[in-house]
Amino acid sequence: DAKTTQPNSMESNEEEPVHLPCNHSTISGTDYIHWYRQLPSQGPEYVIHGLTSNVNNRMASLAIAEDRKSSTLILHRATLRDAAVYYCILSMEYGNKLVFGAGTILRVKS
Amino acid sequence: DAGITQSPRHKVTETGTPVTLRCHQTENHRYMYWYRQDPGHGLRLIHYSYGVKDTDKGEVSDGYSVSRSKTEDFLLTLESATSSQTSVYFCAIRGQGNTEAFFGQGTRLTVV
Repeated sequence: DAKTTQPNSMESNEEEPVHLPCNHSTISGTDYIHWYRQLPSQGPEYVIHGLTSNVNNRMASLAIAEDRKSSTLILHRATLRDAAVYYCILSMEYGNKLVFGAGTILRVKS
Repeated sequence: DAGITQSPRHKVTETGTPVTLRCHQTENHRYMYWYRQDPGHGLRLIHYSYGVKDTDKGEVSDGYSVSRSKTEDFLLTLESATSSQTSVYFCAIRGQGNTEAFFGQGTRLTVV
């Protein structure tokens, strides 16, 4: 399984944008890039995913490098509720495994 | 909310006893997963299922078995619980194709 590398932790100020990086240099052509987050004492929740093009949804944006070896999750205006562990995961085109790494702990300061 | 329910939510059991955790879904999703999460760690995949009676091992499958006799239920069994299996267990479901996964609220298992 292709691996991802994320910083252990990041800090942001409230109402400022946050850019969470993820490296996946061994990504294959059929791997999708998924992001999940886990709030304290909860199960993970889906944030966004993409294959090649940048993606936007109500929660965040996903910017994918042209060579697909890295991606960035963008939270446009961080709130205290966004403090969580963010996981970047690679998933093959046809389902099967979802393997989580250590993730990035995001702290948001008021 | 996605229709996924884990039971029990909390359990304390003694070393050496068998334990079964249940994951139930109402979404008719093909894929189901069991993870464990220990303090300060991310989620580690135990087993997953890609259909009725179709299962495969994950990263940390030793000491665990699973069964999926119908689409809606995925059972995780600890044949003889050990203290190292004290953890929070999460179930997840996922539909066909590269769709999002939905997670349950977790089961906190303590083996004493």
